[in-house]
Amino acid sequence: QSVLTQPPSVSGAPGQRVTISCTGSSSNIGAGYDVHWYQQLPGTAPKLLIYGNSNRPSGVPDRFSGSKSGTSASLAITGLQAEDEADYYCQSYDSSLSGCYVFGTGTKVTVL
Amino acid sequence: EVQLVESGGGLVQPGRSLRLSCAASGFTFDDYAMHWVRQAPGKGLEWVSGISWNSGSIGYADSVKGRFTISRDNAKNSLYLQMNSLRAEDTALYYCAKDQAYGSGSRNDAFDIWGQGTMVTVSS
Repeated sequence: QSVLTQPPSVSGAPGQRVTISCTGSSSNIGAGYDVHWYQQLPGTAPKLLIYGNSNRPSGVPDRFSGSKSGTSASLAITGLQAEDEADYYCQSYDSSLSGCYVFGTGTKVTVL
Repeated sequence: EVQLVESGGGLVQPGRSLRLSCAASGFTFDDYAMHWVRQAPGKGLEWVSGISWNSGSIGYADSVKGRFTISRDNAKNSLYLQMNSLRAEDTALYYCAKDQAYGSGSRNDAFDIWGQGTMVTVSS
């Protein structure tokens, strides 16, 4: 099971701001490992949305922003658009036991 | 165009084996670590395994350790996943993903390029 917890779903009207939390622990986010975010549109492969906690790859709109504090991270989407309806996953590294990359439980964003 | 194309998936009986392949193009394959990530039907993402650019560093999720083997052939720009002793819980769409950072890869790296995935179904 995932060690990074996200809310199952969030929703908002077009133009609104929504945030997605990613809660970890002292062996992953709290240990200082970077958090990355992926967007998965229906029926497609995940796409890197935010890397290194708050950096956007080329081509990702500045409506998407990321932050990290303590054992948690957040993804914010401002000016919500219909095409933002997708699943979103956070990802980090966990150093407990044998160590491995870990993903969040995933959040479905619905545009009302 | 940077591209990853997976192949080798299919229907296999429990206890049998399958070998997945991932063909890379559009970037210098042997400059980057590579990973396999899977997604069970209707479920979230799970990292399966990763390998450094020169195969010197390899890691596995506990759920597949001892059963799966990752490898790469830099001359063929290809990544592989040998899956033995398959179980029903291994049923998933398997993605090949490129490490974002140049070199051996680190624990802080993201996965910046993903293939479209190949489906593995383990069932009798």
